[in-house]
Amino acid sequence: EIVLTQSPATLSLSPGERATLSCRASQSVNSYLGWYQQKPGQAPRLLIYDASKRATGIPARFSGSGSGTDFTLTISRLEPEDFAVYYCQHRGSNWPLTFGGGTKVEIK
Amino acid sequence: EVQLLESGGGLVQPGGSLGLSCAASGFTFRSFAMSWVRQTPGKGLEWVSGTDTSGATTYYADSVMDRFTISRDNSKNTLYLQINSLRAEDTAIYYCAKGLLFSSWYFDLWGRGTLVTVSS
Repeated sequence: EIVLTQSPATLSLSPGERATLSCRASQSVNSYLGWYQQKPGQAPRLLIYDASKRATGIPARFSGSGSGTDFTLTISRLEPEDFAVYYCQHRGSNWPLTFGGGTKVEIK
Repeated sequence: EVQLLESGGGLVQPGGSLGLSCAASGFTFRSFAMSWVRQTPGKGLEWVSGTDTSGATTYYADSVMDRFTISRDNSKNTLYLQINSLRAEDTAIYYCAKGLLFSSWYFDLWGRGTLVTVSS
């Protein structure tokens, strides 16, 4: 099983600041890595797939990068609605699919 | 409206069984792979099981292998999860999730979830 480790666990930032979230895989997942946003009481929302492709309707301030074992989700300028928990997920050929433990982006 | 609606959750004793359903609407259900993902209250996400468009190929997390069975009825636009031999650690919100058309194992549509509580 591929283990995804997200860091930091919590990121305290102000609106307008840049957020950089990390996801590290225990073995290569090539570029088969996605990112989700989850707000309290809601289901997750797909932001990024295949490491860098934005899902339909996702604002351009969200971007993803990386390959192999190291990935980054960047939010260029935080909007009030971006404060949430973010999860990475691999969808490679290694089953089972797994999620990272999450990074909470909170208002400083 | 494009949506997924889960049902069937509830309180069950350890060792018991439960059947979850997920009714899909607003899209061509038979064209998409589907999965179940669970989330322990206040905790992270765990992918549980997935099936291809026909239901012929299924996948499971190690933690549920041989206890959970995923299936689908494309004529009824419904996904199912049969859960047997329930354990306390199966307590979670169970989400139904739709795969992307061209990359089945990323999930672009989720239901609101159904809560399964395993307790005596």
